[in-house]
Amino acid sequence: EDQVTQSPEALRLQEGESSSLNCSYTVSGLRGLFWYRQDPGKGPEFLFTLYSAGEEKEKERLKATLTKKESFLHITAPKPEDSATYLCAVSLNSGNTPLVFGKGTRLSVIA
Amino acid sequence: ETGVTQTPRHLVMGMTNKKSLKCEQHLGHNAMYWYKQSAKKPLELMFVYSLEERVENNSVPSRFSPECPNSSHLFLHLHTLQPEDSALYLCASSQDLGGTQYFGPGTRLLVL
Repeated sequence: EDQVTQSPEALRLQEGESSSLNCSYTVSGLRGLFWYRQDPGKGPEFLFTLYSAGEEKEKERLKATLTKKESFLHITAPKPEDSATYLCAVSLNSGNTPLVFGKGTRLSVIA
Repeated sequence: ETGVTQTPRHLVMGMTNKKSLKCEQHLGHNAMYWYKQSAKKPLELMFVYSLEERVENNSVPSRFSPECPNSSHLFLHLHTLQPEDSALYLCASSQDLGGTQYFGPGTRLLVL
């Protein structure tokens, strides 16, 4: 069964304290891995897509990396406005199934 | 308007009411989705449409009835809901079934 597991479930950081969120996946064939940010009561906002091991993408204080088994979302010197739930999802090689989402990591950045 | 829009943004209904949620995408996508998200819980995929045909129905109670009249519009018809159906209902679209999904702002539903 295709699975996506995110850890930790929740993370509390001080402003400026860098850290990483993990997304591990067990799928039959990976077409792409996606990161989203979701603020409370709002729809998820697309951040990145990664397609192959070794690929990296950056946006402001966020950097996403991909290996054959997992992806990391690195947050450098976070600010309170980075507080949100970060969702990971995978797309399968079959191409005819919707994304499989993880349960998310709730990030709180304290000033 | 751009992206994915949803109306209404907030809805309060009694258990005997009938209401509909509307989603519209302006991205030229071929696939559309309904998700349910209860408080502090993960996304639950409810329905998937590809090229206006339903391709997935994840054991959703019959009190939820989707409709996709064309590739740009998706509805979720609600009737005789239960209080536990109170949640954020999210619509999303993607170019194809495995592509990047773009979400709407959601409809916050409260069933009394």
